[in-house]
Order: sequence, then C-alpha cells, then structure tokens
Amino acid sequence: EVQLVESGGGLVQPGGSLRLSCAASGFTFRNYEMNWVRQAPGKGLEWVSYIRTSSITIYYADSVKGRFTISRDNAKNSVYLQMNSLRAEDTAVYYCARDGSRYYDSNGYYGDFDYWGQGALVTVSS
Amino acid sequence: QSALTQPASVSGSPGQSITISCTGTSSDVGSYNLVSWYQQHPGKAPKLMIYEVSKRPSGISNRFSGSKSGNTAALTISGLQAEDEADYYCCSYAGSCYAFGTGTKVTVL
Repeated sequence: EVQLVESGGGLVQPGGSLRLSCAASGFTFRNYEMNWVRQAPGKGLEWVSYIRTSSITIYYADSVKGRFTISRDNAKNSVYLQMNSLRAEDTAVYYCARDGSRYYDSNGYYGDFDYWGQGALVTVSS
Repeated sequence: QSALTQPASVSGSPGQSITISCTGTSSDVGSYNLVSWYQQHPGKAPKLMIYEVSKRPSGISNRFSGSKSGNTAALTISGLQAEDEADYYCCSYAGSCYAFGTGTKVTVL
C-alpha cells in the first residue's frame, strides 16, 4: 500500500523558516517524481514544487520561487521542502503527492498526482 | 501560472448527471492530454478521479468520466449519489508547472 506521511508543520513567525518532510513507503520511491501541493484555509489547491527522480529537474511555482527549496533522499525514501522567508500568505496545509508520471520529455516525467499524504499544517503568524 | 476556471458550484438530484467544466488556455489544457480531476471531502486529502483527460484509476466508479475539447475539459458524474457531494478540482500540466482549477462544490439536493 502506497503511503506518504508529512511531518514538520507548525507555527512560525513571518520571515521565519520551516522544513517539511515526507516519508514514502509501499512503492519504489527512486522511480517516481514527487510534488508538493498546498491549500490555504478555505481555498483551492495550489501546486508548489516538483522534483525529478534524480533531482536533476526541479520546478517551483512563481509564488515560492527563491524562497522554497525542494530536495529528496532516495536512500531514505523521503522528499523535503525547505521554506524560508515565510509570509502570512504561505499559511496552508502542505501535501506531498506522488507524480503519476504519464508523459516524458527530456526534462522528466509528468502527469498528475496519484497518491497524496494527509497533509501538514503550516501557520505563519506573529 | 494562472488558475484554470471552474464554476463555483454545481448541484443535482440523486440519479441525475452533472458536468463540471474546466477552462484553460492553449498553454495548458489545450497543449497537453494531461488533464486530471480530484475529489476532496472536507478535512480530507484530494483523491485522483480521472487522469490523462478520460482515464479512471483502479477502483474509481465508471459513473465518473472525463473529456476535453480545445482549451476546455469536463468532468461528468452520472447517477449522482449522496457520497459524491464534495469539492472537485481539475488540473493540467502546463510545461514546467501544473495549474489547478479554481474548484467546484458539488451539492446533491
């Protein structure tokens, strides 16, 4: 059974930092691209970041570019999101999601989000 | 990275069919057959219902179907059931990013 478990959420002051972790199990982690998706309270879903299996290709939403860093450790079956310079508008539930990897181009596989974690709440407030 | 446009709400009676539209641009929905749909119940993580425009993951009821024409995709739920009441989001790959729809609340009357 595929499982994704996020951790590391919490309350942080504006301008602060936080690191989210996502532990994967039930599939061969090194073979799948991974994503982070967030949802602000009462709002819709927003894609945040994507990382290829080998970490050679990484993408970010414009809203987090330059502040967030995605990484992965295939030996530990984990993906991470380092969040710096946090703002009130970053308050959200952050989901780790496996990429369905349906389509390939020279930069990697893409598709959809076929498995999701339960989410980690990040609250940015003073 | 603009959001795809969905109606805010759609409703129907049990047994009826409803359709949710998802309008994008030639840079996302119109360029890739990588449109997916997600169902989200309150307080729960989203669940993949449709991928690659019209394919259903294992275990998803055939009451859910997807289609696409040009820059607009659609999700149809036939034989509406009480358990279908939820928020639904479309999503499209857009070349180095993904774009989600604005979300549609489905109400079963």
